[in-house]
Amino acid sequence: ETGVTQTPRHLVMGMTNKKSLKCEQHLGHNAMYWYKQSAKKPLELMFVYNFKEQTENNSVPSRFSPECPNSSHLFLHLHTLQPEDSALYLCASSQDPVTTGGISGNTIYFGEGSWLTVV
Amino acid sequence: DAKTTQPTSMDCAEGRAANLPCNHSTISGNEYVYWYRQIHSQGPQYIIHGLKNNETNEMASLIITEDRKSSTLILPHATLRDTAVYYCIVKGQLIWGAGTKLIIKP
Repeated sequence: ETGVTQTPRHLVMGMTNKKSLKCEQHLGHNAMYWYKQSAKKPLELMFVYNFKEQTENNSVPSRFSPECPNSSHLFLHLHTLQPEDSALYLCASSQDPVTTGGISGNTIYFGEGSWLTVV
Repeated sequence: DAKTTQPTSMDCAEGRAANLPCNHSTISGNEYVYWYRQIHSQGPQYIIHGLKNNETNEMASLIITEDRKSSTLILPHATLRDTAVYYCIVKGQLIWGAGTKLIIKP
């Protein structure tokens, strides 16, 4: 138990569906993240939120829409996805946001992930 | 550009020390080295991190070379449950490579 909870753990959706992934962290952290892990590929950072504000969007297609209503909750809204979007989607949090500057003493805590299959 | 280089895979006998190397020759002066592991179908789990000095916790030890261009993660007494993909990360934990698949054999 890492303190980061993701639901659902598994999701199958059609290309015309609209669904959402939910993440909640119980660690009192200020920063939250969405990562994507496709089969046989490294983790890819998608979005970074700090104090509910989006600070990084790593060129993610608009069919992925994040929402961060407060520092403890993060959603990923999914719409008109493609089969190649099938992947493990990981939510994470840290006390303060990690940055591209590389100066970071903040450990990231991951949830168990949501396995998404687009058919 | 992952900024780190790790062996694709390694084997280790159960009960022996597992030594996982990582090259990060372009690391900047203030960048930390982080290690995580990912057991199949689960989210990555934090192991340890360090800046310049060697570090040890209940899970592992981290040895960082004096020039900081490489490091080694040491699992002192590997068990079957340590079979996982191990990631060495710099660049603020934003860029992940493919990691090392460590297989612990009975």
